[in-house]
Amino acid sequence: ETGVTQTPRHLVMGMTNKKSLKCEQHLGHNAMYWYKQSAKKPLELMFVYSLEERVENNSVPSRFSPECPNSSHLFLHLHTLQPEDSALYLCASSQFLASYEQYFGPGTRLTVT
Amino acid sequence: GENVEQHPSTLSVQEGDSAVIKCTYSDSASNYFPWYKQELGKGPQLIIDIRSNVGEKKDQRIAVTLNKTAKHFSLHITETQPEDSAVYFCAASMNDYKLSFGAGTTVTVRA
Repeated sequence: ETGVTQTPRHLVMGMTNKKSLKCEQHLGHNAMYWYKQSAKKPLELMFVYSLEERVENNSVPSRFSPECPNSSHLFLHLHTLQPEDSALYLCASSQFLASYEQYFGPGTRLTVT
Repeated sequence: GENVEQHPSTLSVQEGDSAVIKCTYSDSASNYFPWYKQELGKGPQLIIDIRSNVGEKKDQRIAVTLNKTAKHFSLHITETQPEDSAVYFCAASMNDYKLSFGAGTTVTVRA
């Protein structure tokens, strides 16, 4: 295991629901990331946090709302999603923002109906 | 921004043979090139990386080569084994954390 856990592993939600994805890293890292992985497409960086401060918001729609209460936890709050938001959402962490090596969690498979 | 293209999208090899995956990048300022392996039900895992001041790097059965002039880099897996079956992603970065990924190559090793 990489030391990065994500819950839930699978989530099915309707377009009017509100849900949250959780990520926890046990590596003592200071930077955390959210990525979206769609079939046959490159991983898309969504958000980056360093020491609980958001440093990147990669033109992500406001229906995705990140939260980083401390350097070990990262949340992605979801509301009013669209079917095209169905994807695997991956969390990653790195020792510092300046560290190249990112450690990924197993992802949450999200299906929007 | 950086654009990374990866080929082939699928690759089937006989166990024991070699596998080669190629990537090209668009921005000559990119200086870090990692390769990730993603197994079914897991997140991507870094398997090898190379920086722009090095032309080749090897770690047991895997190696990566970089041609800065042509802006392409490749992953070589020798003596493939069934456990090498996975999706492999290349990436390029111009700064410390922003990785631009290729679309992935699904490698199947036939026993």
